[in-house]
Amino acid sequence: AQTVTQSQPEMSVQEAETVTLSCTYDTSENNYYLFWYKQPPSRQMILVIRQEAYKQQNATENRFSVNFQKAAKSFSLKISDSQLGDTAMYFCAFMKRETSGSRLTFGEGTQLTVNP
Amino acid sequence: DTGVSQDPRHKITKRGQNVTFRCDPISEHNRLYWYRQTLGQGPEFLTYFQNEAQLEKSRLLSDRFSAERPKGSFSTLEIQRTEQGDSAMYLCASSFQGYTEAFFGQGTRLTVV
Repeated sequence: AQTVTQSQPEMSVQEAETVTLSCTYDTSENNYYLFWYKQPPSRQMILVIRQEAYKQQNATENRFSVNFQKAAKSFSLKISDSQLGDTAMYFCAFMKRETSGSRLTFGEGTQLTVNP
Repeated sequence: DTGVSQDPRHKITKRGQNVTFRCDPISEHNRLYWYRQTLGQGPEFLTYFQNEAQLEKSRLLSDRFSAERPKGSFSTLEIQRTEQGDSAMYLCASSFQGYTEAFFGQGTRLTVV
């Protein structure tokens, strides 16, 4: 079974600054995907960024980037130039790469608050 | 198509009553997932369908829970004889086979009193 751990229940950052959210995971799988999802208050969860485990290059999406350390089973999210709209719950998630199903295993979440 | 739709958004029920939730996925998506999210926690997988076939169920899905996707389109999740521990947000997500991104609905918040 896979587990995902987010050790920071809450974080805050000033607008325009950079913040890093941590995530570690445990798995015996070799082929998998890792994700960061964002859940704004009272709104649906949306995908922020995705990383394929077989790719060494860290994924980047505009202001969002990851630091993927496969050997350490670490997957952190860096948000640059933080904006007020980034305030949300952020979940790290794991997905096995298989053909029969693709359910997500989530961490506990980190509540990020961006202050003006 | 505006995304994954869930109905109702909120449900308050008395302990022991039955409740049913509905999820309408994105129309071309053949995979549909149900998750449960309790306050302050990440979503936990309950079950998933590929087309109309229910392919996996979590141990969390007790005998009081049943899910259907009769025509491979919308899905229902029924909870019989609700208990206070069933109070949670029930999330539905859909995806297209072969693609990793799952699209989530806004969820149904269940409160059992």
